[in-house]
Amino acid sequence: ETGVTQSPTHLIKTRGQQVTLRCSSQSGHNTVSWYQQALGQGPQFIFQYYREEENGRGNFPPRFSGLQFPNYSSELNVNALELDDSALYLCASSFGLAGVREQFFGPGTRLTVL
Amino acid sequence: AQSVTQPDIHITVSEGASLELRCNYSYGATPYLFWYVQSPGQGLQLLLKYFSGDTLVQGIKGFEAEFKRSQSSFNLRKPSVHWSDAAEYFCAVAFTGTASKLTFGTGTRLQVTL
Repeated sequence: ETGVTQSPTHLIKTRGQQVTLRCSSQSGHNTVSWYQQALGQGPQFIFQYYREEENGRGNFPPRFSGLQFPNYSSELNVNALELDDSALYLCASSFGLAGVREQFFGPGTRLTVL
Repeated sequence: AQSVTQPDIHITVSEGASLELRCNYSYGATPYLFWYVQSPGQGLQLLLKYFSGDTLVQGIKGFEAEFKRSQSSFNLRKPSVHWSDAAEYFCAVAFTGTASKLTFGTGTRLQVTL
């Protein structure tokens, strides 16, 4: 069974640029959630995708957008990068939406915005 | 809005000593409760979870946690800490009807002295 993988591991961008982060969900999982973890903070929910549709969004501006593909992998896109976007971005996968499902986290992508 | 409080930012214990990490949540309904551990540069690993039933739950690596509804708490305990337990610990809550969105506390960094 393959766990959740994310790419790239690290990324450095400059303010105003755009970035795409990728996540492959665990085998058999159809739900992907994205979290932002700023330094010294707990992860914050960005949004969730279920069967290629957005299914819930946290308090993040529209320049944070995502996609989920038919194989349930996912992308997180951030436009017009700001310095405060520097963080560890975590992807978590789970199966289904009924009730509360255990989520399995990937190792994260460390984004630095200069 | 729901919130999670981990009042201890940093805790230091000696190897072999007992450990208790505190977690309080704020919300009217009964939440689903989780404890995650994060080692440096790593993603989040689930230690244990409480959905319903017995309020004392056992997890991996010898950890346990007790849900106390009257105190809105879900404290994590371990009777004897090992040096390898040094990490960041996050308490998280979720509620039905919120798309399995996890709300995390700010974390407690555990240091273990030999």
